[in-house]
Parts: sequence; structure tokens; C-alpha cells
Amino acid sequence: GESVGLHLPTLSVQEGDNSIINCAYSNSASDYFIWYKQESGKGPQFIIDIRSNMDKRQGQRVTVLLNKTVKHLSLQIAATQPGDSAVYFCAESEEYGNKLVFGAGTILRVKS
Amino acid sequence: DSGVTQTPKHLITATGQRVTLRCSPRSGDLSVYWYQQSLDQGLQFLIQYYNGEERAKGNILERFSAQQFPDLHSELNLSSLELGDSALYFCASSPGQGHYGYTFGSGTRLTVV
Repeated sequence: GESVGLHLPTLSVQEGDNSIINCAYSNSASDYFIWYKQESGKGPQFIIDIRSNMDKRQGQRVTVLLNKTVKHLSLQIAATQPGDSAVYFCAESEEYGNKLVFGAGTILRVKS
Repeated sequence: DSGVTQTPKHLITATGQRVTLRCSPRSGDLSVYWYQQSLDQGLQFLIQYYNGEERAKGNILERFSAQQFPDLHSELNLSSLELGDSALYFCASSPGQGHYGYTFGSGTRLTVV
């Protein structure tokens, strides 16, 4: 399949290492944030979300951190696997059900 | 399968033509969102419908229009197509206002030649 976002920043990590993908947002009114994973030729796949009244949320092998002071969001992936290779997008919304505004994306490459 | 169905998966058409992209939301979802993804611009929000009514509009060109039908499926109409309209078009659905859970379809790849 074709790659998405050929000019996106790329993070290369060794299999088994932890990955950290960062995202800056600009809308101080954003209340809800989501991380998506997009593999080549597929639609964005939900990873984890967080509301603005939280600063950390954990899922299976993933953690999202939110710093509202500096409008920064990060996604941590533990023990990165080859199947984690994809483009990762952060998205924000002012309220549940409102439109999502997407960040530019980061390519994650996992080396075996 | 995400539960959001988009057809067709691929579409090749000539400049100046008109096409219709279709989206069936996940069962029970009232909101439908359309996004355009170009190689150099990421995912751009086009338009949102909620239970048949237009709810929000993004950077959607005047040549583009959409609607949501009583059965909640949605169609995105693209007319007077230009080479620059070549992109992936995604539909997402969510339960609606006050509820979270945005689910994306697998997209329609439009190529204008």
C-alpha cells in the first residue's frame, strides 16, 4: 500500500524499546484528546483517549500524558513491537461529539 | 471491520467529472464526519452531520457537498473534479453530542486523472 504523510517526522526505535510520540496542540478550549494509529491503506484506528480533567491515562502497553499548561500531549508505547509501525496522529475536540482536529502525524518505524 | 462502511474503496475519474462517496455509520451512531487526507496535508475536516442535520463545516470547497439521509447513511458529492482533489476520503461516526467514540471507515481513494 501507499505511505501516508511522506514528509512527516519519523521516530525509529528498536524492537522492545519504549516509544514516545509527542504532539502540540493550540486550542486551549480543547477538552478531549485522542491518539490514532494509521497503517498504510487503512483508516485511523483508535488507540487511547483522555479528557482535559486528567493528566494521565493508561491502556494496554500505551499511556497518554496531557500537559495543559504547555498544550502538549504524548503517547508512550511500552515494549514496542514491529506491528506498532504506523503513522500516529493526535486529535483534539472541544467537546464529545464535536469535530476532531488532527495533528500532522508521526511515522513510527520499529527495527527488528 | 470497524463497523463504518465506505464505498467505493477506489475511484478513478477524469477532471471535470462528478463522483459520490457513500458512508454507512456504525449501528446506533447519529453523527457522521467527513475527512480528506492528502499526502501533504494530513487529515482535514470537511463536514459533520448529526441525525440528518449539518452540524459543523470545515474547509470544504463549494464544489463539494454532503448530506445525511433518514437511515443515517451519508454521501459526499464532489463535482468539477480537479487533479488536486485526489486524496483519501474518510468517514467517521460517533454516537453524537455528549458521547465519545469516533470510529473511522477504511476510506475511499479518489484518483483524478
